[in-house]
Amino acid sequence: NAGVMQNPRHLVRRRGQEARLRCSPMKGHSHVYWYRQLPEEGLKFMVYLQKENIIDESGMPKERFSAEFPKEGPSILRIQQVVRGDSAAYFCASSPNSGSPYNEQFFGPGTRLTVL
Amino acid sequence: SQELEQSPQSLIVQEGKNLTINCTSSKTLYGLYWYKQKYGEGLIFLMMLQKGGEEKSHEKITAKLDEKKQQSSLHITASQPSHAGIYLCGADLPGAGSYQLTFGKGTKLSVIP
Repeated sequence: NAGVMQNPRHLVRRRGQEARLRCSPMKGHSHVYWYRQLPEEGLKFMVYLQKENIIDESGMPKERFSAEFPKEGPSILRIQQVVRGDSAAYFCASSPNSGSPYNEQFFGPGTRLTVL
Repeated sequence: SQELEQSPQSLIVQEGKNLTINCTSSKTLYGLYWYKQKYGEGLIFLMMLQKGGEEKSHEKITAKLDEKKQQSSLHITASQPSHAGIYLCGADLPGAGSYQLTFGKGTKLSVIP
């Protein structure tokens, strides 16, 4: 049973370009979460999605960032007009269900975005 | 201020030694999760604790959650080089969505052979 898959593992973009990060959840998981890990900081929640629905995007920057989880295909985190401050590791996690008390989330290997 | 404080920030131990990592919250936790991260890789789930006073063990790693559900410790017995990595605690905190894990900054563990 494959784990959470993310691609690409490493992504280099120049300022102003777009970055698209993909996440395929574990088989049987319909809940996807995106987290960002900035240098020297902890993981920060960005967004929680179920198929075709954004449930909570309270951790997403208000501009340039968007996320989707279509009926078919992987979840996509899209960053438009990237800036150097977007350089970070972006992790996707999935779970079979959500909410306390059982909130075990399985993490992917992450995508390391570098903005030049 | 950080909602979850981990200590120490980094730790260097000789192989075979025991060690403890702590995770503290000012709020009562709904659930506490320990993960391990190797550089350049994702997070590996270690253990989940939910009940006050709960203790779980897996191989040489033991995690405990205090009765008040505000502090957890991760104890490694007879450390090995394979234990090296960054240990992260994550928690369901009140005030956040129950699906939203809040993480500490991590404890970097190095094990010297």
